[in-house]
Amino acid sequence: TAGITQAPTSQILAAGRSMTLRCTQDMRHNAMYWYRQDLGLGLRLIHYSNTAGTTGKGEVPDGYSVSRANTDDFPLTLASAVPSQTSVYFCASSPGEGGETQYFGPGTRLLVL
Amino acid sequence: GQNIDQPTEMTATEGAIVQINCTYQTSGFNGLFWYQQHAGEAPTFLSYNVLDGLEEKGRFSSFLSRSKGYSYLLLKELQMKDSASYLCAVTDSNYQLIWGAGTKLIIKP
Repeated sequence: TAGITQAPTSQILAAGRSMTLRCTQDMRHNAMYWYRQDLGLGLRLIHYSNTAGTTGKGEVPDGYSVSRANTDDFPLTLASAVPSQTSVYFCASSPGEGGETQYFGPGTRLLVL
Repeated sequence: GQNIDQPTEMTATEGAIVQINCTYQTSGFNGLFWYQQHAGEAPTFLSYNVLDGLEEKGRFSSFLSRSKGYSYLLLKELQMKDSASYLCAVTDSNYQLIWGAGTKLIIKP
């Protein structure tokens, strides 16, 4: 079982360009999450989805958008990248919404120049 | 505001025991998680505490005191592969996970 996959593994992006980070899980988990991780800071929640068809804003949603058309996929889009969005992005999922163990994908390392 | 505090870095010797502390102030409490994260990799689940007391799982144990807003992760018989960051996270009243910045544990031979 693959668990959670993310693509691409890493990317260099010019400021002002758009990009979609992909996340797919095969565990039939209801809830999915996008985090960014920066040196010296804890994981910060960008957006989440408690179930297919619904999404919510996390702690740092500005500059990012998500969609949840089905259970398996939860893409994260940067409409117009800025250097402050340079980070490591992790997608995670949990069986149910709220309070359950989250399982993480391998991450996407993004550098915005 | 919500806050989770952990030491930034700790050093220990192979074969020894180390305790990593975590204190939290959150709006409500619905459980505390510990995750392990090796450099360049994703966090992986270690333990979960929702009631006061000690949860033991092999070489790793986790303790919780809800009245004190305090937890610790105890690692015994340290191995070189235990060199990693250890992340403390608390589920708040909205069932959102609030993450600490993590403790980088360095194991020396």
